[in-house]
Amino acid sequence: KAGVTQTPRYLIKTRGQQVTLSCSPISGHRSVSWYQQTPGQGLQFLFEYFSETQRNKGNFPGRFSGRQFSNSRSEMNVSTLELGDSALYLCASSLARAQVATQYFGPGTRLLVL
Amino acid sequence: GQQVMQIPQYQHVQEGEDFTTYCNSSTTLSNIQWYKQRPGGHPVFLIQLVKSGEVKKQKRLTFQFGEAKKNSSLHITATQTTDVGTYFCAGPGDSSYKLIFGSGTRLLVRP
Repeated sequence: KAGVTQTPRYLIKTRGQQVTLSCSPISGHRSVSWYQQTPGQGLQFLFEYFSETQRNKGNFPGRFSGRQFSNSRSEMNVSTLELGDSALYLCASSLARAQVATQYFGPGTRLLVL
Repeated sequence: GQQVMQIPQYQHVQEGEDFTTYCNSSTTLSNIQWYKQRPGGHPVFLIQLVKSGEVKKQKRLTFQFGEAKKNSSLHITATQTTDVGTYFCAGPGDSSYKLIFGSGTRLLVRP
């Protein structure tokens, strides 16, 4: 099976812009989670989707949003970018329906905000 | 809110020495997972522990889940340069659909 794919892999934006990141989960996986990884804060949970429904959201401002499509692909959007949004954004898919299961991570999108 | 802490933050060892990282949760966990992230890579699942006091081994790696299900450890015997990376523990958050990661322990191995 193909692994989790994320596009784009690298992105440079300026403050105030918005960005959309894409994630394609492993075939058959219906749960997609997003994480932000920074050197100072580690891996922070953003949100989790299952069958197009957001089941949980982390402690991030409303500028961070996401959605999941009927084919389980997911996108996350960050509006009004700030310098502090520079990070590696990781998407992970799993088979989980009722409980958090093994997370299969994609290679990530590295976002730099100037 | 729930927190998962790991110590140490960094560990620099000579190849062949042992290494241990410890994970502590502020709440009881139904299960705990361990991941490894190589430099420049993404986290890769290593193992999941579910039972109180559980011990699992993967070659030179030994994983333990505490009796109270609030702490866990990963021990590597006779480290090799291929062990280099950051090791994360992770447990379910206040929702079953949310995974909380520890701060990670970065392992460096001198050849």
